[in-house]
Amino acid sequence: DTEVTQTPKHLVMGMTNKKSLKCEQHMGHRAMYWYKQKAKKPPELMFVYSYEKLSINESVPSRFSPECPNSSLLNLHLHALQPEDSALYLCASSLTRGETQYFGPGTRLLVL
Amino acid sequence: DAKTTQPNSMESNEEEPVHLPCNHSTISGTDYIHWYRQLPSQGPEYVIHGLTSNVNNRMASLAIAEDRKSSTLILHRATLRDAAVYYCILIRRGSGNTPLVFGKGTRLSVIA
Repeated sequence: DTEVTQTPKHLVMGMTNKKSLKCEQHMGHRAMYWYKQKAKKPPELMFVYSYEKLSINESVPSRFSPECPNSSLLNLHLHALQPEDSALYLCASSLTRGETQYFGPGTRLLVL
Repeated sequence: DAKTTQPNSMESNEEEPVHLPCNHSTISGTDYIHWYRQLPSQGPEYVIHGLTSNVNNRMASLAIAEDRKSSTLILHRATLRDAAVYYCILIRRGSGNTPLVFGKGTRLSVIA
């Protein structure tokens, strides 16, 4: 199984809503990542988890809250988002940090 | 972090070889050269990587200059499915290895 799955595929939320994005992998990878990608731009790193501990936070606003409950699962909790947060949110995993990353298909988020 | 420079876009005819260049003049000795691609509406996918020697796999070949300041991704016979944005990325191995930092990439169009 070389797949990273992300749910939901699409999400529309208001600025006062709370929602969560979910990412799962069963490859035994110990590093997991969240990226944000705006239209026609490259992905930008948000967070890195290594062995279920947050190792990198790229100065992401606190309205984005990551969580890694176990080695297979990565969540991104969203609260009080702004319309400019509308983007494709990509999850990736790798055996350890610095190894080849496997990406999920992303969650396309629209904030109204 | 060492930076990479790629052409914004390239065009190829179907079933012709494609050579995608990447300049990385500030590469350090422990930087591996990775290529990822992102097909429309999908997450990025790993293509190939190398350190000093040329590399081949089922997807592509990677030719690395002797001074390592540039590299070329070679698709031997482009198909319509190869139309994507191709990213050349440097990843430093070791205890302080860093995650992927995507540049702008090269948008490859394949003409039937």
